[in-house]
Amino acid sequence: GAGVSQSPSNKVTEKGKDVELRCDPISGHTALYWYRQRLGQGLEFLIYFQGNSAPDKSGLPSDRFSAERTGESVSTLTIQRTQQEDSAVYLCASSLGVVWRGGPDTQYFGPGTRLTVL
Amino acid sequence: ELKVEQNPLFLSMQEGKNYTIYCNYSTTSDRLYWYRQDPGKSLESLFVLLSNGAVKQEGRLMASLDTKARLSTLHITAAVHDLSATYFCAVEMDNDMRFGAGTRLTVKP
Repeated sequence: GAGVSQSPSNKVTEKGKDVELRCDPISGHTALYWYRQRLGQGLEFLIYFQGNSAPDKSGLPSDRFSAERTGESVSTLTIQRTQQEDSAVYLCASSLGVVWRGGPDTQYFGPGTRLTVL
Repeated sequence: ELKVEQNPLFLSMQEGKNYTIYCNYSTTSDRLYWYRQDPGKSLESLFVLLSNGAVKQEGRLMASLDTKARLSTLHITAAVHDLSATYFCAVEMDNDMRFGAGTRLTVKP
């Protein structure tokens, strides 16, 4: 079946521009997660959605970052006034339910969006 | 604050040899995960370890968890070239997932 998809796969933008990254989770997955992976580093957890709700936004790096999810499917991660330090691969994952507190134990990752801020 | 440390960060080994990757974490956790990432690709789930003493094996890879020592190991047996990838451990806490920096494994003929 279809896995997690993300678009665009690559995005090059100029410093100061806004960008919008999209994630389509696996159908029926109520939980969705966003991560950032800087070059040569591990993943940095940003935010998760349970349904359309994001219970904890404290992982977002700054107030330039926002995320929303509609209809328990597509999610968008928006970065306003991009900076060079925002350059990274942004990964999205989904799972049947949230993995915390004894939930399903498998997150399925998308291919990522490689963001380059010039 | 939860910290997750992996070592080594880089590992070059010959085919047929054995080696172990270590993952230490700083606070109690609900679950520990191991992932594989090939260059330019996304993450593939390898193992989920739930409790102290848990051991899981898949092919040439075996993962174990010691919650008292806050340590997980990923053991590679008789390495083959196809195992070349970056391996990440990740520790789950409530509303958070912390990843190690990754171990870049290269298996040479």
